[in-house]
Amino acid sequence: DTEVTQTPKHLVMGMTNKKSLKCEQHMGHRAMYWYKQKAKKPPELMFVYSYEKLSINESVPSRFSPECPNSSLLNLHLHALQPEDSALYLCASSQASGRTDTQYFGPGTRLTVL
Amino acid sequence: DAKTTQPPSMDCAEGRAANLPCNHSTISGNEYVYWYRQIHSQGPQYIIHGLKNNETNEMASLIITEDRKSSTLILPHATLRDTAVYYCIAGPTNFGNEKLTFGTGTRLTIIP
Repeated sequence: DTEVTQTPKHLVMGMTNKKSLKCEQHMGHRAMYWYKQKAKKPPELMFVYSYEKLSINESVPSRFSPECPNSSLLNLHLHALQPEDSALYLCASSQASGRTDTQYFGPGTRLTVL
Repeated sequence: DAKTTQPPSMDCAEGRAANLPCNHSTISGNEYVYWYRQIHSQGPQYIIHGLKNNETNEMASLIITEDRKSSTLILPHATLRDTAVYYCIAGPTNFGNEKLTFGTGTRLTIIP
């Protein structure tokens, strides 16, 4: 099973709302990732958690707040977003061990900020 | 991560082999070549990866040149469902703490 699930599939929020994106995997992976993808552009990394600790933050604005409650779950808390934050938000996970580290992606959450 | 260069788009007839090239002339000795694809509005899907030997799995074959400066992904019998953007990525070198740096990819269209 190489499934990464993400909820919700679609989210519409106003600039004053607080919302959260959720990602879950049951493959025993110890690294989890958030990527952002704008229309017609490649995915760009936002955050990496390795063994439940934040290991990479790609200078993401503080209105995006990641959380890794346990090794299977990854959340992205959203607050005071801007319309330009509208994008597809992708979660991925990987084993975090071995010589190579294949990342497996979820289907994404399509976020629209009004 | 080494930079990769891919043609922006390609067409392939259904049932034929699709050969997608990728240049990675600055790849370092311990960087792998990964291929992912992204079907419209879905998450990227892992296809295959390799270091210096040719690799084959149920989805595709990966041919890496001896100098490792370029590679070719081969989809042996392309179907309409193979229409997607294909990304060639060089790296990562470590495990569990690396990002995938996606280039602009090749938009492959399978023609009926």
